Amino acid sequence: AQKVTQAQTEISVVEKEDVTLDCVYETRDTTYYLFWYKQPPSGELVFLIRRNSFDEQNEISGRYSWNFQKSTSSFNFTITASQVVDSAVYFCALSEARYQFYFGTGTSLTVIP
Amino acid sequence: DTEVTQTPKHLVMGMTNKKSLKCEQHMGHRAMYWYKQKAKKPPELMFVYSYEKLSINESVPSRFSPECPNSSLLNLHLHALQPEDSALYLCASSGRGLTEAFFGQGTRLTVV
Repeated sequence: AQKVTQAQTEISVVEKEDVTLDCVYETRDTTYYLFWYKQPPSGELVFLIRRNSFDEQNEISGRYSWNFQKSTSSFNFTITASQVVDSAVYFCALSEARYQFYFGTGTSLTVIP
Repeated sequence: DTEVTQTPKHLVMGMTNKKSLKCEQHMGHRAMYWYKQKAKKPPELMFVYSYEKLSINESVPSRFSPECPNSSLLNLHLHALQPEDSALYLCASSGRGLTEAFFGQGTRLTVV
């Protein structure tokens, strides 16, 4: 069974629009971590955020915000006022145990100027 | 400094060649990883080294041979690869506990 589901395969938005990337996870553990990574065409996976299972506070960092809801097992990522530089593949990931990262299938975001 | 450096960035090799991928980090992380990523797919874990010892080997074929000479370096030795092994190979490292992993830019490998 897929532990991390990113149902949106590809999204296109026009520059300055807001966009939300969905992530649904599955785990029976009470302690776990969730992550978002950005992968631009250059290939490097860039770490964006970590959230542990005991911290449901939403977080905002500039144009980025994250909504963590344990009740729905979701950890969604919103980009406000999107820019062309936001074009990339975004991966949501879950870690239940040391060294194990379960990645979703990724959402490819294209921001059209 | 959250940098993981991989060399080379691109590599083309024949099926009879032997080559090595290199990875270096100076963040003091004691866990280092090799991932393989095919186009339009998520990264797949290959190996994990913890404190310079192989902790996880995800049933990777023996034509891939990892090596961790010290806490900052990780190598992946390649021998007799197949064209289907062509992919982006990513190195990563992480600190103690369930923390995020930091990735390098990867090596784009093409086997001809």
